[in-house]
Amino acid sequence: QKEVEQNSGPLSVPEGAIASLNCTYSDRGSQSFFWYRQYSGKSPELIMSIYSNGDKEDGRFTAQLNKASQYVSLLIRDSQPSDSATYLCAVIEGSNYKLTFGKGTLLTVNP
Amino acid sequence: DGGITQSPKYLFRKEGQNVTLSCEQNLNHDAMYWYRQDPGQGLRLIYYSQIVNDFQKGDIAEGYSVSREKKESFPLTVTSAQKNPTAFYLCASSVRDTQYFGPGTRLTVL
Repeated sequence: QKEVEQNSGPLSVPEGAIASLNCTYSDRGSQSFFWYRQYSGKSPELIMSIYSNGDKEDGRFTAQLNKASQYVSLLIRDSQPSDSATYLCAVIEGSNYKLTFGKGTLLTVNP
Repeated sequence: DGGITQSPKYLFRKEGQNVTLSCEQNLNHDAMYWYRQDPGQGLRLIYYSQIVNDFQKGDIAEGYSVSREKKESFPLTVTSAQKNPTAFYLCASSVRDTQYFGPGTRLTVL
């Protein structure tokens, strides 16, 4: 049974701080990793994908992947109240393109 | 205007009724997916289709049925056999391994 684990939170940070969201996965064969943001009552929207070990930056967002430790993280710099949402980690193993989701981490950014 | 549409946004069903949720995409994506989300839970895969006229069961297919007669459309029927259908239903489509979601349908059983 493939598992993706996230701390459910809530994670509370002040405005302007760095928010760090973490995710671990059980399947060593996992190839593709995704972060989605989900506002309350809305559908998930894709933030970033990452495939190789190391960091990938997109604006205020940085995804970090460590396949040896089976660990993927998302850093949000200069956090804004509009970043308050649930962040979902999702992982694909192999070529079947089936995503396994974590339960999500609720982030609250306080003004 | 490209995207994924789901209808209706809200749906109320009496126990024992079958209901069909619509999902349409004009992104020319080959693969489409149906997920269910319960409060405090991650998304769970119900069915997926990688090509027209073909689909596979996901992790929680019991009580659901789908069809894929057109590339653009992947409707989901929630049958009376689904014991606890109240949930948020999300449709997605993908290009290669990246999935994009529709706005969702919130189903409530009365």
